[in-house]
Amino acid sequence: SQTIHQWPATLVQPVGSPLSLECTVEGTSNPNLYWYRQAAGRGLQLLFYSVGIGQISSEVPQNLSASRPQDRQFILSSKKLLLSDSGFYLCAWRKQANNEQFFGPGTRLTVL
Amino acid sequence: GEDVEQSLFLSVREGDSSVINCTYTDSSSTYLYWYKQEPGAGLQLLTYIFSNMDMKQDQRLTVLLNKKDKHLSLRIADTQTGDSAIYFCAERTGGYQKVTFGTGTKLQVIP
Repeated sequence: SQTIHQWPATLVQPVGSPLSLECTVEGTSNPNLYWYRQAAGRGLQLLFYSVGIGQISSEVPQNLSASRPQDRQFILSSKKLLLSDSGFYLCAWRKQANNEQFFGPGTRLTVL
Repeated sequence: GEDVEQSLFLSVREGDSSVINCTYTDSSSTYLYWYKQEPGAGLQLLTYIFSNMDMKQDQRLTVLLNKKDKHLSLRIADTQTGDSAIYFCAERTGGYQKVTFGTGTKLQVIP
């Protein structure tokens, strides 16, 4: 069966510090992978998606970047965090048969 | 364009029915989804409907789709306290990789 992991679960970082959030998927190959941010009261915003190794599509201009160094690994990064980067970050992979997306447990990021 | 809208909050009494509404703008949507998010957790798919269907029922859940008005609803019968969560509707838009989510409706069930 497929599982999706994210770490860390929670993170508190000062403004201007770097960021690296990791997402890994098990039990499937060549998945489409997604990063979402859920800010308080603002719903779910798609940040990046990837259809394969090294292939990243950015949905919104922002302070963040994403990379996919391996088939089942998706990394969200920043060189210098902003206060507005605080939020709940969710990684997901897509099941091709019906486009169902499976979500990881999320990372709660607080930038102080 | 792609825009999915939901009301932010709904409060119901335990045992009553809940109806969560959603409107979308992309007429080319092929799949429409309802997801549930419990506090501090990721999203979990509840049900989905093809755009050529009007209704889908799955136990206590009923999904109604009005494609003409681009309106989707989720009815939860006999709402329980365990149904308290945020409910997101989502649509698969023209690009096959992308699913656009609504802002979420927080359902509060009062015992």
